[in-house]
Amino acid sequence: DGGITQSPKYLFRKEGQNVTLSCEQNLNHDAMYWYRQDPGQGLRLIYYSQIVNDFQKGDIAEGYSVSREKKESFPLTVTSAQKNPTAFYLCASSIGGNSWDEQFFGPGTRLTVL
Amino acid sequence: KQEVTQIPAALSVPEGENLVLNCSFTDSAIYNLQWFRQDPGKGLTSLLLIQSSQREQTSGRLNASLDKSSGRSTLYIAASQPGDSATYLCAVYKFYFGSGTKLNVKP
Repeated sequence: DGGITQSPKYLFRKEGQNVTLSCEQNLNHDAMYWYRQDPGQGLRLIYYSQIVNDFQKGDIAEGYSVSREKKESFPLTVTSAQKNPTAFYLCASSIGGNSWDEQFFGPGTRLTVL
Repeated sequence: KQEVTQIPAALSVPEGENLVLNCSFTDSAIYNLQWFRQDPGKGLTSLLLIQSSQREQTSGRLNASLDKSSGRSTLYIAASQPGDSATYLCAVYKFYFGSGTKLNVKP
């Protein structure tokens, strides 16, 4: 089955720790995205990558970092510099990086800071 | 910057009713608009994608329309069912999302 997988489903972090969220896709898509969703709100873009070894900041990149070493993988690291990291994190991909390309989403990771 | 608004924030209807969800955006120079469904604690499922050159798209009981000149899109759900209960989000320019309409269809 083709799709996007995210792991873990739930993640708990102590204050001051860095954590990495995994996102893998087998759709052969060039572009991948990370969003953050807070309760009752829409999605906000953290980072996106249109091609391997290249990525751009979204609206709320501070306190986050990414890498894109392989086409199918786009991990997100939530660093200790992120002041309010508790949220639902969603990964998405599209066939290309054009604004008109359809996006497909993974099941999400819920991060809670203890 | 593009602003996307969805009204109402929540909607409760009896089963079988036809309903309309609204999405408005401030910048009409969009390439497409995508409607998604989100179940509690889950990711987003793509429902319909309308390209800027199209005026509407249909999939089963769903019909989405797009009026770029007025900055509006509507999602029409025919003969609603309890299984339609979810939050519906729209997105423009791929990155800009509304905060969603939470739909509850009562049996």
